[in-house]
Amino acid sequence: DQQVKQNSPSLSVQEGRISILNCDYTNSMFDYFLWYKKYPAEGPTFLISISSIKDKNEDGRFTVFLNKSAKHLSLHIVPSQPGDSAVYFCAADNAGGTSYGKLTFGQGTILTVHP
Amino acid sequence: NAGVMQNPRHLVRRRGQEARLRCSPMKGHSHVYWYRQLPEEGLKFMVYLQKENIIDESGMPKERFSAEFPKEGPSILRIQQVVRGDSAAYFCASSPAATSEETQYFGPGTRLLVL
Repeated sequence: DQQVKQNSPSLSVQEGRISILNCDYTNSMFDYFLWYKKYPAEGPTFLISISSIKDKNEDGRFTVFLNKSAKHLSLHIVPSQPGDSAVYFCAADNAGGTSYGKLTFGQGTILTVHP
Repeated sequence: NAGVMQNPRHLVRRRGQEARLRCSPMKGHSHVYWYRQLPEEGLKFMVYLQKENIIDESGMPKERFSAEFPKEGPSILRIQQVVRGDSAAYFCASSPAATSEETQYFGPGTRLLVL
């Protein structure tokens, strides 16, 4: 049962343009969402997060949007840079419950930013 | 402040052997999570430990897998009598608190290959 889904295995974008990565979830108990970035042979690195009490969170070039009614979130990267090329994972948690920070991850989307 | 350390980075075992994976959390972090990433999949939670205690092992197979986080030393994930299906990347993450609202910092992972 895949509770967090990233339906696009890959995304290719030109440098300077916007990258939009999408994520859907099915568990209505999830109330905290995170995006991680992962380079080959490295561990995931935290990028940005959002609580379910918000619908948008921005940090520099990265913005995460949350649509609770649609159980959908997206990560926008503007402008995209070649160094952004990596695998991006969406993750979710029931932070208000007793999950102890246990994260449920999507399958990942490979982002390639072309110079 | 050193990041999360994992060793070995690569481990090759024959079927039936034991695999021991080590994780040293970031300084000051007493919460450790282990995740497994099978090929072409996202990370899946295995176990959450605090010093000397297993808090949540709901993601860990009931047989052959065990984890510990002793008072002194690294956290250990042990896989006995490995099978080919155990081949995966194993990541540990550490956090200063047991909530996803505190950033989990991931190690570089141990890539286990079972021949």
